Amino acid sequence: DSGVTQTPKHLITATGQRVTLRCSPRSGDLSVYWYQQSLDQGLQFLIQYYNGEERAKGNILERFSAQQFPDLHSELNLSSLELGDSALYFCASSPSGGSGGFTDTQYFGPGTRLTVL
Amino acid sequence: AQSVTQLGSHVSVSEGALVLLRCNYSSSVPPYLFWYVQYPNQGLQLLLKYTTGATLVKGINGFEAEFKKSETSFHLTKPSAHMSDAAEYFCAVSERGGSYIPTFGRGTSLIVHP
Repeated sequence: DSGVTQTPKHLITATGQRVTLRCSPRSGDLSVYWYQQSLDQGLQFLIQYYNGEERAKGNILERFSAQQFPDLHSELNLSSLELGDSALYFCASSPSGGSGGFTDTQYFGPGTRLTVL
Repeated sequence: AQSVTQLGSHVSVSEGALVLLRCNYSSSVPPYLFWYVQYPNQGLQLLLKYTTGATLVKGINGFEAEFKKSETSFHLTKPSAHMSDAAEYFCAVSERGGSYIPTFGRGTSLIVHP
């Protein structure tokens, strides 16, 4: 158990809909990272938040957004869903932010499997 | 730009045999290098990482990897495979001094036969 929790575990929805994925980092970790794992694209970094502020952005679509709340949990919002958005979405956390965050050990949650029908 | 190539989407070994998973990278600056393991229905777990210093890096579960700059490689090895090593393994590279955002390989599925 990494100490990172993600809800829900599974999500099935229809094209055009909007969903919210939730992540609670390990106690004491200030950085949260979101990743997408799909058969087509493999594992890709989406976005990082550090202590409530966006710190790094990867291949995140404009239809996707994220935020980190004062209690440090994070939410990833996916809107206008398309079939190609079906994937595993992982959240990870680490103690520090910025460049140090990526070279820290990141602790991954079990993921949310999103299926868009 | 950085990239990672993992040779072989599947590697099959017998229990007790040597495990060798290959990773080659491309980076315009000295890289940080990582190996992660993903067990079925779980998130990724860091096995080991190279940031600086000794080029032979020891990780968890008996795995180690050697950073070879001249070969742009970071192959993962384990002397003796165990059934519990069956999983998906990902190599990742991150550029030092850049955004540090990691690029992952496509993964290698390790199959261990009894």
